[in-house]
Amino acid sequence: ETGVTQSPTHLIKTRGQQVTLRCSSQSGHNTVSWYQQALGQGPQFIFQYYREEENGRGNFPPRFSGLQFPNYSSELNVNALELDDSALYLCASSLGPGGSYEQYFGPGTRLTVT
Amino acid sequence: DAKTTQPPSMDCAEGRAANLPCNHSTISGNEYVYWYRQIHSQGPQYIIHGLKNNETNEMASLIITEDRKSSTLILPHATLRDTAVYYCIVEIQGAQKLVFGQGTRLTINP
Repeated sequence: ETGVTQSPTHLIKTRGQQVTLRCSSQSGHNTVSWYQQALGQGPQFIFQYYREEENGRGNFPPRFSGLQFPNYSSELNVNALELDDSALYLCASSLGPGGSYEQYFGPGTRLTVT
Repeated sequence: DAKTTQPPSMDCAEGRAANLPCNHSTISGNEYVYWYRQIHSQGPQYIIHGLKNNETNEMASLIITEDRKSSTLILPHATLRDTAVYYCIVEIQGAQKLVFGQGTRLTINP
């Protein structure tokens, strides 16, 4: 059983650029949630995907978008990068909404916007 | 906003029990209490969760008060590797959209 993996581990982008982050969910999990963690803060929920559909969104602008693929892996896309987007981006997989299931987090992608 | 209140930091001696408190006075009947921890530069790690009964697993014990307004996470024999930020989270059953607060930074001292 493989755990949650994310790529890349680190990324440096320039303000105004676009970025795509990737997440492979744990085997058997059909739900992926994305979180943003600024330095010194707790993670903040961005959105969740369940069976390829968005299933809830936090307080993030539309330039944050995502996808989930048939194999349940997922992408987070951020357009028009701003300096405040610099953060650790975490994805977490779980068995799906409706149950009291724990989430399994990946190691994160550290994004730096200059 | 997070629905929990935790002390910002705690210290514990290695080998002793670490008791981390959490207040969640506005918890609803269908909300679970979850605990996660985050070791420096890693993703959060699930520890334990419960609804109203006390729970124990290989990592920790969770004690929830009868009125469910507070809980305590117990690490029975803390080791240096337990140094981390511990998050107490209250979440409606099935939502799986965790709302993290600032957590408690637990330092285990040799």
